[in-house]
Amino acid sequence: DVKVTQSSRYLVKRTGEKVFLECVQDMDHENMFWYRQDPGLGLRLIYFSYDVKMKEKGDIPEGYSVSREKKERFSLILESASTNQTSMYLCASSGGGGGVREQYFGPGTRLTVT
Amino acid sequence: DQQVKQNSPSLSVQEGRISILNCDYTNSMFDYFLWYKKYPAEGPTFLISISSIKDKNEDGRFTVFLNKSAKHLSLHIVPSQPGDSAVYFCAATHTTSGTYKYIFGTGTRLKVLA
Repeated sequence: DVKVTQSSRYLVKRTGEKVFLECVQDMDHENMFWYRQDPGLGLRLIYFSYDVKMKEKGDIPEGYSVSREKKERFSLILESASTNQTSMYLCASSGGGGGVREQYFGPGTRLTVT
Repeated sequence: DQQVKQNSPSLSVQEGRISILNCDYTNSMFDYFLWYKKYPAEGPTFLISISSIKDKNEDGRFTVFLNKSAKHLSLHIVPSQPGDSAVYFCAATHTTSGTYKYIFGTGTRLKVLA
C-alpha cells in the first residue's frame, strides 16, 4: 500500500510565524504535490515537484515555498503565516510512469493561523 | 478560469438507488480523468479513472462514463450505500513539461439516506 504521511494533523500558528509542513511518501514516486482545500473551492495546487530539487509553481504559490532535497520528502514552507492561509493542506504523490496517474494523498494538515 | 466544474455542490440519494455525479471540463488537452472520494478530516482516496480513449470504465459498484464531444464525465454508483456518503472530486490531467498537471473540480457532497 502506498503511504503518504504528513508531519502534523493539526497546527495552530500565529501571524508572521514561519511554518513548515512536511510530507513523506514510501513508494519511490517521482512526483509530489501540495494542495490546499477550502470550502467551495476544491483542491488548489500550490506547488509540485517532479524530481529531487525540481519544483514548479501551481495555481496559488504566493506566500509559499517548497523544498525537495530527497525523493521521498516534500516540504511546504509558509514564509510568514497570515490568517488567509488558514486551510486544510494536502500532500500527494504519483508515480508518473507507465501511464499510472493516480495520486495518493496524505491525511491532511489542518492549519489555523491566528 | 475553472477548467473542471462540478456544478452540483450536493446530492442526496436513497440507499439502494443510483447516485450520478457529474463533471464538465473545458480543456480539450485533458487525456485522463479521475474520481476521488473524501471523508471529513481525511485525505482524498482514489476511486476510479478513465483514459480519454475510452468511454466507460467499471469497477464493482462504480462506473465512470466519458463523453468527449460534450466534455462531460459522470460517476455512477449502483447501488448506493450509506458508507458512500462523502465528498467526491473529479480531476483531469494532461502532460505539461514532461509531467502531469492535475486540475480538480470543487467537489460534490453525496449523502446516501438509509
